[in-house]
Amino acid sequence: AQSVAQPEDQVNVAEGNPLTVKCTYSVSGNPYLFWYVQYPNRGLQFLLKYITGDNLVKGSYGFEAEFNKSQTSFHLKKPSALVSDSALYFCAVRAAGNTPLVFGKGTRLSVIA
Amino acid sequence: SQTIHQWPATLVQPVGSPLSLECTVEGTSNPNLYWYRQAAGRGLQLLFYSVGIGQISSEVPQNLSASRPQDRQFILSSKKLLLSDSGFYLCAWTPGQNEQFFGPGTRLTVL
Repeated sequence: AQSVAQPEDQVNVAEGNPLTVKCTYSVSGNPYLFWYVQYPNRGLQFLLKYITGDNLVKGSYGFEAEFNKSQTSFHLKKPSALVSDSALYFCAVRAAGNTPLVFGKGTRLSVIA
Repeated sequence: SQTIHQWPATLVQPVGSPLSLECTVEGTSNPNLYWYRQAAGRGLQLLFYSVGIGQISSEVPQNLSASRPQDRQFILSSKKLLLSDSGFYLCAWTPGQNEQFFGPGTRLTVL
């Protein structure tokens, strides 16, 4: 069965500093990996995905993520954080095939001005 | 382009009352559809998913049920709500083996 771990409930970073939100996964076969962001009382917004190819994936709003197969990780990164990046971030994984995404518990990012 | 709608946006219901939440997708055909519940602004719990009309997979046995009467319509129901049914309900769709797209959600409060 697939699973996702987001080891940090909360990440605090100063505006302008780089940010990292961690994610590790467990899945049989090749993983399909995703990051989503959620603002208060809103649905989840898709940020980026890794299916195959280059290990560094670029997504919306300047976010990127690096797929590391040996460490089974897919950490979300941004070179310079904005206050508006403050939100709840979810990592998700799916095995190949027509299966639902499995989500992590979420990491709350707080960017301080 | 595709869009996903959920209604109502908010709902306050007494314990023991019935529930019907609706989700519809526009601009696509034969989507996979999903219902999630999010408690306390945190993790997502997959409740049901459907790969076609009349095909429902239940992930967690509970007080809720789902139906898919039309290709782009997914309904979440309950005959008698419990306090523990309170939460933020999210509908999502995917064209296949890609990312899921989420609706705006329904905030349900059971009193």
